[in-house]
Amino acid sequence: DEQLVESGGDLVQPGGSLRLSCAASGFTLITYWMKWVRQAPGKGLEWVASIKPDGGEAIYVGSVKGRFTISRDSAKNSLFLQMNGLRAEDTAIYYCSKGDGETWGQGTLVTVSS
Amino acid sequence: QAGLTQPPSMSKGLGQTATVTCTGNSNNVGNQGAAWLQQHQGHPPKLLSNRDNNRPSGISERFSASRSGSTTSLTITGLQPEDEADYYCSSWDSSLRGWVFGGGTKLTVL
Repeated sequence: DEQLVESGGDLVQPGGSLRLSCAASGFTLITYWMKWVRQAPGKGLEWVASIKPDGGEAIYVGSVKGRFTISRDSAKNSLFLQMNGLRAEDTAIYYCSKGDGETWGQGTLVTVSS
Repeated sequence: QAGLTQPPSMSKGLGQTATVTCTGNSNNVGNQGAAWLQQHQGHPPKLLSNRDNNRPSGISERFSASRSGSTTSLTITGLQPEDEADYYCSSWDSSLRGWVFGGGTKLTVL
């Protein structure tokens, strides 16, 4: 069975940094489009970033460009999201997801507050 | 990032049929199709139908998706209590070069 497990969420002060991880099992992560999607408390889903299978081109939603970096490690079969310059509006559950959304992790909570 | 348009809520009776709509444009739903996701409170989303309107294995035949132009629809037949959830559409937008989601539809089963 395919599985995604996120980790790294925490309480952080505005302006701080966090690195989220997403460990994949049951499939080879680098052969698929992978994305990070977030959900603010009580709100809907918002796409954050994606990485292509070939070449690893990364794309981002405008509000995180220049602050967040998506990457992957084939040896660890893992996806990452480096988040810098965090703002209160980045507070959300962050999910990693495969392809069209056929597999999702359970999510990891990021809270940005002083 | 412009999103897709869904009705915020819907109520239907047990055993009835619900149809949730999602409207985009030619840059997304019209040419890229749309996936449908179900999310129960406190849980991650689950894929019900991919952008080719195909159900993943294990998804009930009571869930079906279709598209007409830039509007996609999710139809749920024989509503059960466990169908009470939030439903989201999502698509790739070739103009924005990113994924877009609908705002979600909260389905209540009476």
